[in-house]
Amino acid sequence: TQLLEQSPQFLSIQEGENLTVYCNSSSVFSSLQWYRQEPGEGPVLLVTVVTGGEVKKLKRLTFQFGDARKDSSLHITAAQPGDTGLYLCASSNFGNEKLTFGTGTRLTIIP
Amino acid sequence: DAGVTQSPTHLIKTRGQQVTLRCSPISGHKSVSWYQQVLGQGPQFIFQYYEKEERGRGNFPDRFSARQFPNYSSELNVNALLLGDSALYLCASSIGQPYGYTFGSGTRLTVV
Repeated sequence: TQLLEQSPQFLSIQEGENLTVYCNSSSVFSSLQWYRQEPGEGPVLLVTVVTGGEVKKLKRLTFQFGDARKDSSLHITAAQPGDTGLYLCASSNFGNEKLTFGTGTRLTIIP
Repeated sequence: DAGVTQSPTHLIKTRGQQVTLRCSPISGHKSVSWYQQVLGQGPQFIFQYYEKEERGRGNFPDRFSARQFPNYSSELNVNALLLGDSALYLCASSIGQPYGYTFGSGTRLTVV
């Protein structure tokens, strides 16, 4: 069973600061997805990365997939209160649509 | 376009009862999956269906069952409810991996 560990578990920073969230596993992923979840809602897909070393940008968010495809990071530049939420990484493997979710990082941006 | 819709949004059941949760996927999505999310944790995989066939099952007891209908909607059934079944149950639909899932807002189940 593939386990995904996210760090930090909790993060509280001031508006305008930068931050990085990490997702690590001892196993290789075929693809890695990042979701953001707000209270009372389902997770919302932010990005999917499939190629080792891949970097994707979504406005102020930068996602990186490790060369060995065992880790990923999410970097947010100039954080805003709207970025507040639970950030989840999730992995899947070819031929299997099951998503394995990480433990989550709860991010709070203080105005 | 309508997203993934789940019903009901909230419900309260008593231990030992049975519950049925419903999910309508995004139009054109043939894959539907169910996840359980306990407070403070990430979602845990329960089932995945594609074209009415079960394609995957997570580590959940036989009290949990599901099915998918010809219109690709799906139901999740849980029998003999336990207090530990209290959670947010999420339905997600997809055109296939690795394109990601669209999740519904979930059904909040409380077992008392």
